[in-house]
Amino acid sequence: DSGVTQTPKHLITATGQRVTLRCSPRSGDLSVYWYQQSLDQGLQFLIQYYNGEERAKGNILERFSAQQFPDLHSELNLSSLELGDSALYFCASSVAGEGITDTQYFGPGTRLTVL
Amino acid sequence: AQKITQTQPGMFVQEKEAVTLDCTYDTSDPSYGLFWYKQPSSGEMIFLIYQGSYDQQNATEGRYSLNFQKARKSANLVISASQLGDSAMYFCAMREGSGGSNYKLTFGKGTLLTVNP
Repeated sequence: DSGVTQTPKHLITATGQRVTLRCSPRSGDLSVYWYQQSLDQGLQFLIQYYNGEERAKGNILERFSAQQFPDLHSELNLSSLELGDSALYFCASSVAGEGITDTQYFGPGTRLTVL
Repeated sequence: AQKITQTQPGMFVQEKEAVTLDCTYDTSDPSYGLFWYKQPSSGEMIFLIYQGSYDQQNATEGRYSLNFQKARKSANLVISASQLGDSAMYFCAMREGSGGSNYKLTFGKGTLLTVNP
């Protein structure tokens, strides 16, 4: 158990809908990252927050947004869902948010299926 | 160009034997960290081992060790005394120390390891 929690574990929804994925980082970690894992794209970085502020953006679609709250939990919002958004979404957390030794610990993931 | 290359889509090993999973990386940054993660069929990503570019010795964590060859830009994971529970997908990842990539992990495509009894 990494100490990172994600809910829900599974999510099945329809095209055009909006969903919210939730993540709680490990105790003491200030940075949260979101990654998407799909068969064709592999593991892709989406976005990073550090202590409530957005720090970096990766391959995140405009239909997706995220935020980190004062208690450091984070939410990833996915809207106008398409079939291609079906994937495993991971949240990871780390202490420093930068640096080569800053290990990212991953949550169990949320498996999103868009029908 | 791919930053992390894992050339073995699948590997098989007999229980109790050692296995090496290959990883080569591409960066011009002198400062970087290399990470290996394990993803069992249940889906979670489990951190295994870390090697920094300035580390003089190869990293070890229990049955996991890293064969780090800096000049060849390779960071192969060695699993000794394989167990059935080692069957999983293994990912090599890199975090660069400067520029625009010091926040994220860049992953390879993974190697699916199957341990046979």
